[in-house]
Amino acid sequence: GENVEQHPSTLSVQEGDSAVIKCTYSDSASNYFPWYKQELGKGPQLIIDIRSNVGEKKDQRIAVTLNKTAKHFSLHITETQPEDSAVYFCAASKGFGAGGTSYGKLTFGQGTILTVHP
Amino acid sequence: EAGVTQSPTHLIKTRGQQATLRCSPISGHTSVYWYQQALGLGLQFLLWYDEGEERNRGNFPPRFSGRQFPNYSSELNVNALELEDSALYLCASSLDLRGLGYTFGSGTRLTVV
Repeated sequence: GENVEQHPSTLSVQEGDSAVIKCTYSDSASNYFPWYKQELGKGPQLIIDIRSNVGEKKDQRIAVTLNKTAKHFSLHITETQPEDSAVYFCAASKGFGAGGTSYGKLTFGQGTILTVHP
Repeated sequence: EAGVTQSPTHLIKTRGQQATLRCSPISGHTSVYWYQQALGLGLQFLLWYDEGEERNRGNFPPRFSGRQFPNYSSELNVNALELEDSALYLCASSLDLRGLGYTFGSGTRLTVV
């Protein structure tokens, strides 16, 4: 089955700096890669996603890049703010354009605790 | 629009007992997913229901089961509770059958003592 590795497990930055979180996946058939932000006491919230037919996607201060050949994708947060502090999870699935029983299921990385210091 | 709601927020059970967790998806969403988030670990896929049927299950023992009702709400049942079942149980719903753009609830914290 799919395996997703996420690094680093913790990341500490100063306000205004950039933060980068990296994930690798094992199943070349995976074609959908969402990123979630989880704040204390809350469920994960989708912040950005990318499909395998796209190499990069941006949404204001957040961007995600995908390298299908190397099977890795990254989350980039620019101009970090204290409210960006949270646990971030990457995930992978075969949901986009696929059939069969495995679509719909997300395989998550282990999470990155991001702390932004004022 | 109301989000995904889960109840109860917290649940304390004794080893060997049964636990029932409930989830109401976003209105119009037919797919409901259950994940287990143990302390210090990522989210592990448990079950996926759509249109009242179990579509897929993760690598969990049969004492983890559930169902989806005609109104698309769902419940997760855990029988013969073990200490290692203590975790945050998250429910998510999706309008898209491919599981794109999940919306998660805030979870049920299950503690087994």
